[in-house]
Amino acid sequence: GDQVEQSPSALSLHEGTDSALRCNFTTTMRSVQWFRQNSRGSLISLFYLASGTKENGRLKSAFDSKERRYSTLHIRDAQLEDSGTYFCAAEKGGGTGSKLSFGKGAKLTVSP
Amino acid sequence: GGIITQTPKFLIGQEGQKLTLKCQQNFNHDTMYWYRQDSGKGLRLIYYSITENDLQKGDLSEGYDASREKKSSFSLTVTSAQKNEMAVFLCASSMQGWEQYFGPGTRLTVL
Repeated sequence: GDQVEQSPSALSLHEGTDSALRCNFTTTMRSVQWFRQNSRGSLISLFYLASGTKENGRLKSAFDSKERRYSTLHIRDAQLEDSGTYFCAAEKGGGTGSKLSFGKGAKLTVSP
Repeated sequence: GGIITQTPKFLIGQEGQKLTLKCQQNFNHDTMYWYRQDSGKGLRLIYYSITENDLQKGDLSEGYDASREKKSSFSLTVTSAQKNEMAVFLCASSMQGWEQYFGPGTRLTVL
């Protein structure tokens, strides 16, 4: 079954507002990565976390360091260029390679 | 910084055809990956390779072959294209256990 449950699946924001996306994991994960996919399909890495929080401009991500079973992506002061589909992906670890399990994505639309 | 290139950008094939997609990275990363993305959905892992000549199956390997010819390149072959199939194939690379970086994708359409 799916190891990564992402919510919400779609979100509409007005410019200047704040919101958050969340991913829950059905098992303990070693790391999480957040991506934004633009209209051309390019997947851009926003954050990679093995624990704690990271911040970059108006974006901030957190990975639950205790049980390692959820992660959040906060968007502050949303801008039109934030529109796109956001994916989280998590790695369980414990084996070879770095196999990521992806959520189904959250389509964000920012309007004036 | 580095870059991942995928060729071709667009691929149109016929039902039953064997189709090959190529990926090159200059990050000097050990591990490379092939994912498939269907419209409006997340990514699913087809194959990955942790070093040259290594090959590991992902969740979606049936119907595909892959080849890690050298450290910087990883090819994916659709062994028999399915009619009306449409998907984007994304290549990625990483150092073992670290952040993955993605290429721009190859968009496949099968007539």
